[in-house]
Amino acid sequence: KNQVEQSPQSLIILEGKNCTLQCNYTVSPFSNLRWYKQDTGRGPVSLTIMTFSENTKSNGRYTATLDADTKQSSLHITASQLSDSASYICVVSETGTASKLTFGTGTRLQVTL
Amino acid sequence: DVKVTQSSRYLVKRTGEKVFLECVQDMDHENMFWYRQDPGLGLRLIYFSYDVKMKEKGDIPEGYSVSREKKERFSLILESASTNQTSMYLCASSLLRPQQETQYFGPGTRLLVL
Repeated sequence: KNQVEQSPQSLIILEGKNCTLQCNYTVSPFSNLRWYKQDTGRGPVSLTIMTFSENTKSNGRYTATLDADTKQSSLHITASQLSDSASYICVVSETGTASKLTFGTGTRLQVTL
Repeated sequence: DVKVTQSSRYLVKRTGEKVFLECVQDMDHENMFWYRQDPGLGLRLIYFSYDVKMKEKGDIPEGYSVSREKKERFSLILESASTNQTSMYLCASSLLRPQQETQYFGPGTRLLVL
């Protein structure tokens, strides 16, 4: 069964600090991996998308990495801000399968003063 | 910017009621999806549609039905609401096939079934 595991489940950091969120997956055959940010009470918003041949992708202070060999991805947030407080969801899609996305359960990040 | 809107942010219904959740997107996307999101579980796909009047079951279709009479509108129907359908419901849309295109999500409808 395809699975996406994220760690940690939750994280509290001080404003200005960096953090890294992890995503391990067993989805096969792999098509791409996305990171979404979901603010409380809102729908998820896409941050990055990476295909098999890409091993890093940045979006402002967010940098995602992908190791397709070990089936691991990370999302690094630099110089965190209060507005980074949200859940971050890793989503992996399969090649050739209609509409088959596997969602992780997310990491809830809280940035405090 | 893509805009996906959902008819209600919060909804309270009683067991056995018929419930309609509406979703509208304004970017002429072919694909539309309904998910539910529960604490400790990832988003789970209920139904999706690749075209008008077309629908396919997702992973958890039981107790739900959908309707897509127009390209921009995708409705989720709970024929007889039950307490285990209390959840956050998210609608999404995308161009082309989902694995090639990013899904854009609505703000969600938090449904409470009493």
